[in-house]
Amino acid sequence: EVHLVESGGGLVQPGRSLRVSCAASGFIFNDYAMHWVRKAPGKGLEWVSGIDWNRATKVYADSVKGRFTISRDNAGNSLYLQMNSLRPEDTALYFCAKDRTHSFSSNDGIDFWGQGTLVTVSS
Amino acid sequence: QSVLTQPPSVSGAPGQRVTISCTGSSSNIGAGYDVHWYQHLPGTAPKLLIYGNNNRPSGVPDRFSASRSGTSASLAITGLQAEDEADYYCQSYDSSLSGCVFGGGTQLTVL
Repeated sequence: EVHLVESGGGLVQPGRSLRVSCAASGFIFNDYAMHWVRKAPGKGLEWVSGIDWNRATKVYADSVKGRFTISRDNAGNSLYLQMNSLRPEDTALYFCAKDRTHSFSSNDGIDFWGQGTLVTVSS
Repeated sequence: QSVLTQPPSVSGAPGQRVTISCTGSSSNIGAGYDVHWYQHLPGTAPKLLIYGNNNRPSGVPDRFSASRSGTSASLAITGLQAEDEADYYCQSYDSSLSGCVFGGGTQLTVL
């Protein structure tokens, strides 16, 4: 059974940094692309970033480009999102999500999601 | 403002049929990229409902179906049940953004 467990969320001041993590199990992690998707209070789902199975391709939403960095540790079955220069509008529940295939640009859909970790950016 | 446009809300009585539209553009749905649909109940993990325009993962009832045409797609739910009350999102890929895009979400209310 696929499990995705996010951690690392919390309250952080504007301009500071935070790294959220995702521990994956129940599937061959290094065979699949992975995503971060967020949901701000009162808003819909927003795709944040995606990374291919071999880390060759990483793409970011315009709203986080230059501030966030996605990475993965295939040996440790983990996905990460380093968030720098955080803004109040980054406040959201951050979901780790598994792609159906090895490349997210093949657009095959996201088949499993974690429960999310809450990031609150406020002074 | 989302790249894919969905109605904010739809509603229907138990047993009825409802549809949710998803309108994109020539750089996403209109370019031939597949559309996927997700169901999300607040406080839970989103669930893949439809992938590749009209394919259901195992366990998703055949009351859920979808289609794509031109720059739009739609999700249909027949035999509406109280448990279907949730938020529904369409998702595709956008070539100008080189990334995934979601619709703004549609809140389904079962009357």
